[in-house]
Amino acid sequence: EVQLVESGGGLVRPGGSLRLSCATSGFSFSSYTMHWVRQAPGKGLEWVSSISGTTIYIYYAGSVKGRFTISRDNAKNSLYLQMNSLRAEDTAVYYCARILHGAEPDYWGQGTLVTVSS
Amino acid sequence: DIQMTQSPSSLSASIGDRVTITCRASQGISNYLAWFRQKPGKAPKSLIYAASSLQSGVPSKFSGSGSGTDFTLTISSLQPEDFATYYCLQYHSYPLAFGGGTKVEIK
Repeated sequence: EVQLVESGGGLVRPGGSLRLSCATSGFSFSSYTMHWVRQAPGKGLEWVSSISGTTIYIYYAGSVKGRFTISRDNAKNSLYLQMNSLRAEDTAVYYCARILHGAEPDYWGQGTLVTVSS
Repeated sequence: DIQMTQSPSSLSASIGDRVTITCRASQGISNYLAWFRQKPGKAPKSLIYAASSLQSGVPSKFSGSGSGTDFTLTISSLQPEDFATYYCLQYHSYPLAFGGGTKVEIK
């Protein structure tokens, strides 16, 4: 059974940092591009970042570029998002996702809430 | 960057109605478009990939069409589980971009 479990969310002050983790199981993690997608309270979905299986390709949304860093540890089947210089507008539920692999099913974590507030 | 404009932002419909949602890309994206459904408090779930291909396990009442810049998602007969928010996503090029969402509510 494929599972994605996020952790690391919480309350942080503006300018602070957090590191999100996504532990995966049930599939060949290193073979898949993985994504972070966020959703601010009451708002729509926003793509945040993607990383290819071998980490050769890494992409960021303009709103987080230079502040967030995506990474993965294929030996640990885990995906990470290091978030620095956090702002109030980064407040959202953050999902890790295995999506956009054609006919293969998509898988999402349960989401982890990041709240940036003083 | 490619922007996705989704319409309407919300709609009211009855059980059994046929519903159509549209997404327009700011530039051509071939058929690199996916549709997702999100129920309140839950993670999204893919319905359609490559603009018109049904994801495995998704009922055939869902259909997608379009290519280039204009795309549609059609639900042929709304059921209670279909009252949710729907999003398109372009994956032709990075940065990926979601549409703003369409909330389908019960009339």
